[in-house]
Amino acid sequence: QQQVKQSPQSLIVQKGGISIINCAYENTAFDYFPWYQQFPGKGPALLIAIRPDVSEKKEGRFTISFNKSAKQFSLHIMDSQPGDSATYFCAASMDTGFQKLVFGTGTRLLVSP
Amino acid sequence: NAGVTQTPKFQVLKTGQSMTLQCAQDMNHNSMYWYRQDPGMGLRLIYYSASEGTTDKGEVPNGYNVSRLNKREFSLRLESAAPSQTSVYFCASKKDPGLVKETQYFGPGTRLLVL
Repeated sequence: QQQVKQSPQSLIVQKGGISIINCAYENTAFDYFPWYQQFPGKGPALLIAIRPDVSEKKEGRFTISFNKSAKQFSLHIMDSQPGDSATYFCAASMDTGFQKLVFGTGTRLLVSP
Repeated sequence: NAGVTQTPKFQVLKTGQSMTLQCAQDMNHNSMYWYRQDPGMGLRLIYYSASEGTTDKGEVPNGYNVSRLNKREFSLRLESAAPSQTSVYFCASKKDPGLVKETQYFGPGTRLLVL
């Protein structure tokens, strides 16, 4: 119940295209869903996050879509750029007390020029 | 601010050797974390420290020990390294452990190879 399942494992998108990464969870107590971006040789960094009281959150070219009934959320990268090439992790956490993040397995995105 | 720093960046150990991975943060954060990252498995929490003076086990604590030396520093020790501990280790910190919206800030990682 603590798992977060992420797909696909890897993704190749042409420059200007839309990158879509999906995550699914089982624990209905999760109520905070961040996405982290990691460049090679670096630590992960928070990209964007959503709470389940909204179905979508947009920051620039990055959008999280959230489907509470399906227990799924996804990251959309519009107008993908070569600089977006990185590994993306979804995560989930409960918002009570001291809570730990549960991470997905990661998606390696390559945006071809 | 340097943020979260980790030493060493890379280490090769022989099976059975011990070593300590160092982590320090200069953001006056209260909570600190150790993760390991393995291909196809994402980030898994090893140990965490909600505040100075406290430590707790995470998802994969076996074979590791930690010390929260002070508010700034959180070390991870491998007493007898095994090949299964070959991984990339990340330290992270967060200001308020009880506020889940708060961002965790990650260090650059330590790449460990156990032969």
